[in-house]
Amino acid sequence: NAGVTQTPKFQVLKTGQSMTLQCAQDMNHEYMSWYRQDPGMGLRLIHYSVGAGITDQGEVPNGYNVSRSTTEDFPLRLLSAAPSQTSVYFCASSSTGTGGSYEQYFGPGTRLTVT
Amino acid sequence: AQSVTQPDIHITVSEGASLELRCNYSYGATPYLFWYVQSPGQGLQLLLKYFSGDTLVQGIKGFEAEFKRSQSSFNLRKPSVHWSDAAEYFCAVGPSGYSTLTFGKGTMLLVSP
Repeated sequence: NAGVTQTPKFQVLKTGQSMTLQCAQDMNHEYMSWYRQDPGMGLRLIHYSVGAGITDQGEVPNGYNVSRSTTEDFPLRLLSAAPSQTSVYFCASSSTGTGGSYEQYFGPGTRLTVT
Repeated sequence: AQSVTQPDIHITVSEGASLELRCNYSYGATPYLFWYVQSPGQGLQLLLKYFSGDTLVQGIKGFEAEFKRSQSSFNLRKPSVHWSDAAEYFCAVGPSGYSTLTFGKGTMLLVSP
Protein backbone atom coordinates (compact mmCIF):
# COMPACT_ATOMS: atom_id res chain seq x y z
CA ASN A 1 0.00 0.00 0.00
CA ALA A 2 1.22 3.50 -0.83
CA GLY A 3 -0.95 4.93 1.97
CA VAL A 4 -1.83 8.60 1.52
CA THR A 5 -0.10 10.36 -1.35
CA GLN A 6 -0.05 14.07 -2.10
CA THR A 7 1.10 15.97 -5.16
CA PRO A 8 2.86 18.23 -5.70
CA LYS A 9 5.39 18.34 -2.85
CA PHE A 10 6.17 22.00 -3.47
CA GLN A 11 4.33 24.74 -5.34
CA VAL A 12 4.79 28.46 -5.87
CA LEU A 13 1.81 30.49 -7.06
CA LYS A 14 1.22 34.11 -7.84
CA THR A 15 -1.63 35.94 -6.15
CA GLY A 16 -4.88 35.29 -7.99
CA GLN A 17 -3.83 32.02 -9.59
CA SER A 18 -5.81 28.86 -9.00
CA MET A 19 -4.58 25.34 -8.51
CA THR A 20 -5.54 21.92 -7.21
CA LEU A 21 -3.69 19.98 -4.56
CA GLN A 22 -4.08 16.27 -5.14
CA CYS A 23 -4.65 13.66 -2.45
CA ALA A 24 -5.18 9.95 -2.93
CA GLN A 25 -5.36 6.95 -0.62
CA ASP A 26 -5.38 3.24 -1.42
CA MET A 27 -6.68 1.94 1.92
CA ASN A 28 -10.37 2.16 1.03
CA HIS A 29 -10.91 4.68 3.82
CA GLU A 30 -14.24 6.44 3.95
CA TYR A 31 -13.05 9.50 5.83
CA MET A 32 -10.66 12.03 4.31
CA SER A 33 -9.68 15.51 5.38
CA TRP A 34 -7.45 18.47 4.59
CA TYR A 35 -5.48 20.43 7.18
CA ARG A 36 -3.19 23.39 6.90
CA GLN A 37 -0.20 23.87 9.17
CA ASP A 38 1.18 27.28 10.01
CA PRO A 39 4.03 28.06 12.44
CA GLY A 40 2.77 28.26 16.02
CA MET A 41 -0.79 27.35 14.98
CA GLY A 42 -0.74 23.56 14.88
CA LEU A 43 -2.95 21.93 12.25
CA ARG A 44 -6.31 23.41 11.38
CA LEU A 45 -9.05 21.57 9.54
CA ILE A 46 -10.06 23.02 6.16
CA HIS A 47 -12.59 20.52 4.75
CA TYR A 48 -13.46 16.90 5.29
CA SER A 49 -15.46 14.11 3.70
CA VAL A 50 -17.13 11.04 5.21
CA GLY A 51 -17.61 9.34 1.86
CA ALA A 52 -17.95 9.85 -1.87
CA GLY A 53 -20.29 12.72 -2.62
CA ILE A 54 -20.29 14.04 0.97
CA THR A 55 -18.14 16.95 2.09
CA ASP A 56 -18.29 19.49 4.88
CA GLN A 57 -16.42 22.54 6.10
CA GLY A 58 -13.88 22.60 8.86
CA GLU A 59 -12.44 25.44 10.87
CA VAL A 60 -10.83 27.45 8.03
CA PRO A 61 -12.70 26.72 4.76
CA ASN A 62 -12.67 30.16 3.11
CA GLY A 63 -10.83 30.28 -0.20
CA TYR A 64 -10.84 26.50 -0.64
CA ASN A 65 -13.13 24.11 -2.44
CA VAL A 66 -13.35 20.32 -2.34
CA SER A 67 -15.26 17.51 -3.98
CA ARG A 68 -15.23 13.75 -3.50
CA SER A 69 -16.26 11.82 -6.58
CA THR A 70 -14.43 8.60 -5.64
CA THR A 71 -13.41 6.92 -2.38
CA GLU A 72 -9.74 7.21 -3.31
CA ASP A 73 -9.37 10.89 -4.23
CA PHE A 74 -10.01 14.11 -2.36
CA PRO A 75 -8.58 17.14 -4.21
CA LEU A 76 -8.34 20.58 -2.64
CA ARG A 77 -8.85 23.57 -4.93
CA LEU A 78 -7.57 27.05 -4.31
CA LEU A 79 -9.89 29.32 -6.22
CA SER A 80 -7.83 32.52 -6.22
CA ALA A 81 -4.60 32.18 -4.28
CA ALA A 82 -3.72 34.77 -1.65
CA PRO A 83 -0.48 35.22 0.35
CA SER A 84 -2.43 34.20 3.47
CA GLN A 85 -2.74 30.73 1.96
CA THR A 86 1.02 30.20 2.13
CA SER A 87 1.19 27.10 4.29
CA VAL A 88 1.91 23.40 4.43
CA TYR A 89 -1.13 21.34 3.52
CA PHE A 90 -1.73 17.83 4.83
CA CYS A 91 -4.28 15.33 3.66
CA ALA A 92 -5.41 12.54 6.00
CA SER A 93 -7.64 9.50 5.81
CA SER A 94 -9.11 6.96 8.21
CA SER A 95 -11.57 4.13 8.35
CA THR A 96 -15.02 4.75 9.80
CA GLY A 97 -16.20 1.17 10.02
CA THR A 98 -16.20 -1.10 13.03
CA GLY A 99 -12.88 -2.73 13.57
CA GLY A 100 -11.08 0.27 12.17
CA SER A 101 -7.92 1.35 13.89
CA TYR A 102 -9.36 4.85 14.42
CA GLU A 103 -6.03 6.21 13.32
CA GLN A 104 -5.81 9.07 10.86
CA TYR A 105 -3.08 8.45 8.32
CA PHE A 106 -1.37 11.59 7.05
CA GLY A 107 0.21 12.28 3.70
CA PRO A 108 3.69 13.82 3.40
CA GLY A 109 2.35 17.32 2.82
CA THR A 110 2.42 19.99 0.12
CA ARG A 111 4.38 23.17 0.82
CA LEU A 112 2.64 26.06 -0.93
CA THR A 113 4.02 29.57 -1.29
CA VAL A 114 1.87 32.38 -2.70
CA THR A 115 3.74 35.51 -3.79
CA ALA B 1 -16.35 23.27 21.24
CA GLN B 2 -13.37 21.04 21.71
CA SER B 3 -9.92 22.54 22.25
CA VAL B 4 -6.39 21.44 23.09
CA THR B 5 -3.75 23.35 25.00
CA GLN B 6 -0.08 22.51 24.92
CA PRO B 7 1.37 25.00 27.41
CA ASP B 8 5.00 24.57 26.41
CA ILE B 9 6.08 25.93 23.02
CA HIS B 10 9.66 24.71 23.43
CA ILE B 11 11.26 22.23 25.79
CA THR B 12 14.95 21.37 26.04
CA VAL B 13 15.95 18.07 27.62
CA SER B 14 19.36 16.52 28.05
CA GLU B 15 19.93 13.24 26.27
CA GLY B 16 19.17 10.39 28.66
CA ALA B 17 16.91 12.50 30.86
CA SER B 18 13.20 11.89 31.29
CA LEU B 19 10.58 13.82 29.36
CA GLU B 20 7.03 14.94 30.02
CA LEU B 21 5.04 16.97 27.49
CA ARG B 22 1.81 18.44 28.74
CA CYS B 23 -1.55 18.39 27.04
CA ASN B 24 -4.86 19.67 28.39
CA TYR B 25 -8.09 19.30 26.50
CA SER B 26 -11.60 20.62 26.63
CA TYR B 27 -14.35 18.29 25.49
CA GLY B 28 -17.82 17.55 26.76
CA ALA B 29 -17.84 13.77 26.53
CA THR B 30 -15.21 11.06 26.66
CA PRO B 31 -12.64 12.15 24.14
CA TYR B 32 -10.50 10.27 21.71
CA LEU B 33 -6.94 11.48 22.36
CA PHE B 34 -3.82 11.25 20.23
CA TRP B 35 -0.17 12.22 20.24
CA TYR B 36 1.59 12.76 16.93
CA VAL B 37 5.24 13.51 16.20
CA GLN B 38 6.58 15.52 13.28
CA SER B 39 10.24 15.58 12.30
CA PRO B 40 11.44 18.61 10.32
CA GLY B 41 10.02 18.64 6.81
CA GLN B 42 8.09 15.45 7.40
CA GLY B 43 4.49 14.42 7.83
CA LEU B 44 2.83 13.38 11.07
CA GLN B 45 3.38 10.01 12.69
CA LEU B 46 1.03 8.63 15.32
CA LEU B 47 2.80 7.86 18.61
CA LEU B 48 -0.17 6.60 20.59
CA LYS B 49 -3.90 6.93 21.10
CA TYR B 50 -6.48 6.59 23.86
CA PHE B 51 -10.13 5.67 23.42
CA SER B 52 -11.14 3.83 26.57
CA GLY B 53 -9.93 1.31 29.12
CA ASP B 54 -6.54 1.47 30.78
CA THR B 55 -5.65 5.11 31.29
CA LEU B 56 -1.93 4.47 30.76
CA VAL B 57 -1.28 3.79 27.09
CA GLN B 58 1.92 2.63 25.49
CA GLY B 59 3.05 3.84 22.11
CA ILE B 60 5.89 3.49 19.69
CA LYS B 61 9.48 4.56 20.30
CA GLY B 62 9.19 4.03 24.06
CA PHE B 63 6.57 6.73 24.63
CA GLU B 64 3.61 6.45 26.97
CA ALA B 65 0.77 8.75 27.96
CA GLU B 66 -1.63 8.87 30.85
CA PHE B 67 -5.25 9.98 30.59
CA LYS B 68 -6.46 11.82 33.68
CA ARG B 69 -10.12 12.68 33.36
CA SER B 70 -10.20 14.74 36.57
CA GLN B 71 -7.44 17.00 35.24
CA SER B 72 -8.52 16.90 31.57
CA SER B 73 -4.96 15.97 30.73
CA PHE B 74 -3.17 13.53 28.48
CA ASN B 75 0.54 14.03 29.13
CA LEU B 76 3.20 12.30 27.08
CA ARG B 77 6.21 10.75 28.81
CA LYS B 78 9.43 9.00 27.99
CA PRO B 79 11.88 7.74 30.64
CA SER B 80 15.07 8.39 28.65
CA VAL B 81 15.25 10.75 25.69
CA HIS B 82 17.43 10.05 22.65
CA TRP B 83 18.80 12.70 20.29
CA SER B 84 16.57 11.28 17.56
CA ASP B 85 13.50 12.29 19.59
CA ALA B 86 14.09 15.94 18.73
CA ALA B 87 10.96 16.93 16.82
CA GLU B 88 7.65 18.71 17.21
CA TYR B 89 4.92 16.95 19.15
CA PHE B 90 1.21 17.51 18.72
CA CYS B 91 -1.63 16.48 20.98
CA ALA B 92 -5.04 16.10 19.33
CA VAL B 93 -8.61 15.41 20.48
CA GLY B 94 -11.68 14.26 18.59
CA PRO B 95 -15.20 12.97 19.20
CA SER B 96 -14.20 9.72 17.56
CA GLY B 97 -11.06 8.38 16.06
CA TYR B 98 -12.07 9.01 12.49
CA SER B 99 -13.80 12.31 12.84
CA THR B 100 -12.49 15.83 12.84
CA LEU B 101 -9.44 16.27 15.03
CA THR B 102 -8.55 19.42 16.90
CA PHE B 103 -4.82 19.85 17.35
CA GLY B 104 -2.81 21.72 19.90
CA LYS B 105 -0.25 24.23 18.68
CA GLY B 106 2.60 21.84 19.27
CA THR B 107 5.65 21.54 21.52
CA MET B 108 9.10 21.63 19.98
CA LEU B 109 11.47 19.25 21.76
CA LEU B 110 15.17 20.04 21.65
CA VAL B 111 17.64 17.45 22.93
CA SER B 112 20.98 18.67 24.26
CA PRO B 113 24.08 16.44 24.39
